[in-house]
Amino acid sequence: SQQGEEDPQALSIQEGENATMNCSYKTSINNLQWYRQNSGRGLVHLILIRSNEREKHSGRLRVTLDTSKKSSSLLITASRAADTASYFCATAGSSNTGKLIFGQGTTLQVKP
Amino acid sequence: DAGITQSPRHKVTETGTPVTLRCHQTENHRYMYWYRQDPGHGLRLIHYSYGVKDTDKGEVSDGYSVSRSKTEDFLLTLESATSSQTSVYFCAISPTGTGNGDEKLFFGSGTQLSVL
Repeated sequence: SQQGEEDPQALSIQEGENATMNCSYKTSINNLQWYRQNSGRGLVHLILIRSNEREKHSGRLRVTLDTSKKSSSLLITASRAADTASYFCATAGSSNTGKLIFGQGTTLQVKP
Repeated sequence: DAGITQSPRHKVTETGTPVTLRCHQTENHRYMYWYRQDPGHGLRLIHYSYGVKDTDKGEVSDGYSVSRSKTEDFLLTLESATSSQTSVYFCAISPTGTGNGDEKLFFGSGTQLSVL
């Protein structure tokens, strides 16, 4: 069962534009993470936001968390062609494993 | 990819044959995980390990077994491969595993497995 679900499934923008992708989750969480996956590669951790944080920045990345709506968003500002990848949110599942469960991801294409 | 090697990178096998995938890490991390990635399903946790000889099931463990005899190696075995197990398999490692979702995972490059 999916804990986090990303929206949109796919996004295509021009270089220089901002990209926003959203993640909704089902149960209460302590932390939420975002990962990036380049084609044919493994996932790479981008940022972690804790449940008591509302916003966090890392370079051109801005992550927000709204625990009342059980949602998070990832904003990539001034996008570059190199940002083309799939982006996943991950939270600890409600099952007894307590291990990270990933959403289906948003595929971002940044056109030069 | 953070000192994680998955082997083989690609494998084609026939239904009913046993298959073993290997994950080797040089980071000395305590936790190791096997995920599978399929279109429409994202990544799903198969099994994980929290130490040598300590393993537990994930969301989709049926048809899979794992073993960890050394800190650096985590093996995933498909006892009798089926076409539904055609997937990309990722190994991941983390130094911590609190269960609070704050463990940062490092992923290998994946194994593409095709079961015909």
